[in-house]
Amino acid sequence: NAGVTQTPKFRILKIGQSMTLQCAQDMNHNYMYWYRQDPGMGLKLIYYSVGAGITDKGEVPNGYNVSRSTTEDFPLRLELAAPSQTSVYFCASSVLAGGLQTQYFGPGTRLLVL
Amino acid sequence: GENVEQHPSTLSVQEGDSAVIKCTYSDSASNYFPWYKQELGKGPQLIIDIRSNVGEKKDQRIAVTLNKTAKHFSLHITETQPEDSAVYFCAATTAQKLVFGQGTRLTINP
Repeated sequence: NAGVTQTPKFRILKIGQSMTLQCAQDMNHNYMYWYRQDPGMGLKLIYYSVGAGITDKGEVPNGYNVSRSTTEDFPLRLELAAPSQTSVYFCASSVLAGGLQTQYFGPGTRLLVL
Repeated sequence: GENVEQHPSTLSVQEGDSAVIKCTYSDSASNYFPWYKQELGKGPQLIIDIRSNVGEKKDQRIAVTLNKTAKHFSLHITETQPEDSAVYFCAATTAQKLVFGQGTRLTINP
């Protein structure tokens, strides 16, 4: 299994541009998540999904959109990029088993907005 | 909602010594407490976890303890090695979402 994969690894955007961060998992996990990690900080939840067709907001959803049309893919869309969105973005997936979940993280996408 | 506080933010220990990282949580309904290790340029990786019905769990040089009454849990690393240098995150959850602590940067000095 490849686990959780993310593309691109690094991207520079100009203010006002848009882009989609790709995330895919091949573990047949129902749950998928998007986090952002600012320098020296912890992980903040942007959006999450409990299954195909179902998404919900996390702690910091403003400026982002998501969709979940398949179990495998969970893209994150940035509209009108702003310098405040400069961060490292991590996608994660998990399965809920026995009331517990272990999240598996991708390698991250580093985004710089200038 | 759940709030997780993690201390210290940075920790430096001599190789071979022990390291302890502490976390407190606010929601008494939280029932699962994982610890993640993040190496430079990589995503977090689970290293150990503990359920609310267990007080302590050990895996080789790593152990986690949980005090439900006080609502705090700790990560213990013994006989530290250079490869233990990383950022460590604690987390707590009741169901679908994990709430992470702010992270601890652990440096092992040779």
